[in-house]
Amino acid sequence: EVQLVQSGAEVKKPGQSLKISCKGFGSRFTGYWISWVRQMPGKGLEWMGIISPDFSDTKYSPSFQDRVTISADMSINTAYLHWSSLRASDTAIYFCARHESPFLAGDLWGQGTLVTVSS
Amino acid sequence: QSVLTQPPSVSGAPGQKVTVSCTGTRSNIGAGSDVHWYQQLPGRAPKLLIYGDHNRPSGVPDRFSGSKSGTSASLAISGLQAEDEAVYYCQSYDNSLSVSLFGGGTKLTVL
Repeated sequence: EVQLVQSGAEVKKPGQSLKISCKGFGSRFTGYWISWVRQMPGKGLEWMGIISPDFSDTKYSPSFQDRVTISADMSINTAYLHWSSLRASDTAIYFCARHESPFLAGDLWGQGTLVTVSS
Repeated sequence: QSVLTQPPSVSGAPGQKVTVSCTGTRSNIGAGSDVHWYQQLPGRAPKLLIYGDHNRPSGVPDRFSGSKSGTSASLAISGLQAEDEAVYYCQSYDNSLSVSLFGGGTKLTVL
């Protein structure tokens, strides 16, 4: 079965760094863009950014441009979302999704990773 | 406030038809950008329901349909079932902002 499997829930303190992952099983990432989406508690979906299949292009929403870094290692079919310094306001569920292009729909989604940032 | 505007909630009785609207601007839906629709059940990841304005992925019942006109798009759900109770999101690419956008989401209640 083709699926995107994300890393487990994380509990961190403000100021700490964090990298969460999204691994493809049953299909390669080759040819696909991978996006990240934030969902704060009780709120809607927010598009954070997307990385191209060959990593040559990464697009970010202005809201997240200076807060996170999106990267990938296609040799292990895995994309990452990284924070260098977490804030309490980063507490949310983060989803990854697969796209054939930045303009096309996310046809496959990960199960989500809950990130809790609290002192 | 989202650039793509959706009603916060809609409701309907089992068997009825409901429509969820998604209003954008000339830089996204009005520019011809594809509109996609997702269903998010409580505690679950979003699931693709409609892509490219009106196309259904394999496995999505034909009770779900999408349309687009001008700067707006709509998701119609006919023959409402209890299992349709969820939050529905529209998505489209904005050419001016160079980002993909989600609507604020619409909660469907099946009465």
